[in-house]
Amino acid sequence: EVQLAESGGGLVQPGGSLRLSCATSGFTFGNFWMTWVRQTPGKGLEWLANIKEDGTDTYYVDSVKGRFTISRDNGKRTLYLQMDSLRVEDTAVYFCVKGNWADHWGQGTQVTVSS
Amino acid sequence: VLTQSPLSLPVTLGQPASISCRSSQSLVSSDGDTYLHWVQQRPGHSPRRLIYMVSNRDPGVPDRFSGSGSGTDFTLTISRVEAEDVGLYYCMQGSRWPLTFGGGTKVEIK
Repeated sequence: EVQLAESGGGLVQPGGSLRLSCATSGFTFGNFWMTWVRQTPGKGLEWLANIKEDGTDTYYVDSVKGRFTISRDNGKRTLYLQMDSLRVEDTAVYFCVKGNWADHWGQGTQVTVSS
Repeated sequence: VLTQSPLSLPVTLGQPASISCRSSQSLVSSDGDTYLHWVQQRPGHSPRRLIYMVSNRDPGVPDRFSGSGSGTDFTLTISRVEAEDVGLYYCMQGSRWPLTFGGGTKVEIK
């Protein structure tokens, strides 16, 4: 069974940083692109970033480009999202998603950016 | 841009329901495939994919769910709505960068 478990969310002040992790099991992690998606009440679902199977290619939505960094450790079967220069509007639930076709989603982790 | 309609869909149990998803550009990708998928989010749960590449049901998805369409116009149909179908439904496209989601349709029981 495919399982994705995010962690690392929490409350952070504007301008601060957080690192999200996504531990995976039930599939051959190194064979799949991976994705981060976030959800806010106002904007719905928003794709943030993708990373290729071997980590050599990454893509970002404009709103997080230069502030967020997606990475992976295939040996640990874990996906990461380093979030720097956080803004109030980054407040959301962040989901780890398997593949570019979103076939499996984690349970999400809440990130709140507030002073 | 993916535009879903309606925003809210009150339905009677046992009756059909349809959700529309329209794209501002053709979703036929350069490889000839159409990467339009449908995602369900039940209250209090994370999203779950129901349909991939327009019309293919994911494992475990009841056959009352079906997807159709081509080019820029797509539809998710529930043939007979059940209580467990209440929630938000999103279309998403993977044919063009950046990947995008529709705004969502809330299905509720009348």
